[in-house]
Amino acid sequence: DQQVKQNSPSLSVQEGRISILNCDYTNSMFDYFLWYKKYPAEGPTFLISISSIKDKNEDGRFTVFLNKSAKHLSLHIVPSQPGDSAVYFCAARSGSARQLTFGSGTQLTVLP
Amino acid sequence: KAGVTQTPRYLIKTRGQQVTLSCSPISGHRSVSWYQQTPGQGLQFLFEYFSETQRNKGNFPGRFSGRQFSNSRSEMNVSTLELGDSALYLCASSLGTGFPYEQYFGPGTRLTVT
Repeated sequence: DQQVKQNSPSLSVQEGRISILNCDYTNSMFDYFLWYKKYPAEGPTFLISISSIKDKNEDGRFTVFLNKSAKHLSLHIVPSQPGDSAVYFCAARSGSARQLTFGSGTQLTVLP
Repeated sequence: KAGVTQTPRYLIKTRGQQVTLSCSPISGHRSVSWYQQTPGQGLQFLFEYFSETQRNKGNFPGRFSGRQFSNSRSEMNVSTLELGDSALYLCASSLGTGFPYEQYFGPGTRLTVT
């Protein structure tokens, strides 16, 4: 039973355009959400996070939106750059559980 | 600060053997978590150690075990290897088990079981 789902295994976007990566969750106890980026042969790198008390968090070109009623979060990258090409994982955590629960990842390809 | 280091980076083992993977966390980090990554499955949580104690365990068989030393370094052991254990094993460290929840990952150990 996947509690965190990334339904799009891949996404291609033109350089300079917006990339939108989506993530859905089923566990209503999740109260903190994170996005990680992973390049081949490297471990995931923390990108941005959001607490459930917020609906938006912004850091430079990266913005995460949280819709609690829909149990949905998204990562927006504007403008997209070729160096953003990587696998993006969303992750979630509840206050009672110690571990992060990860989605299966979305491969983003930014075309020059 | 040096990042999380994992050794070895690549490993080939035969079915039935056992393997030990090592992880050195970022200096000052006391929590170490282990994850298994397989294609299409994302990162599956194995276990977390904090101050030499296992604090949480994922849904993996008892063949998977780990430990943490007083210097926060951690090892993970898999006994009686199966073909399905072939995966990238990632170690992540964090300051503690509470907020902030960001974990910092090592490059992983690629285990191939033949």
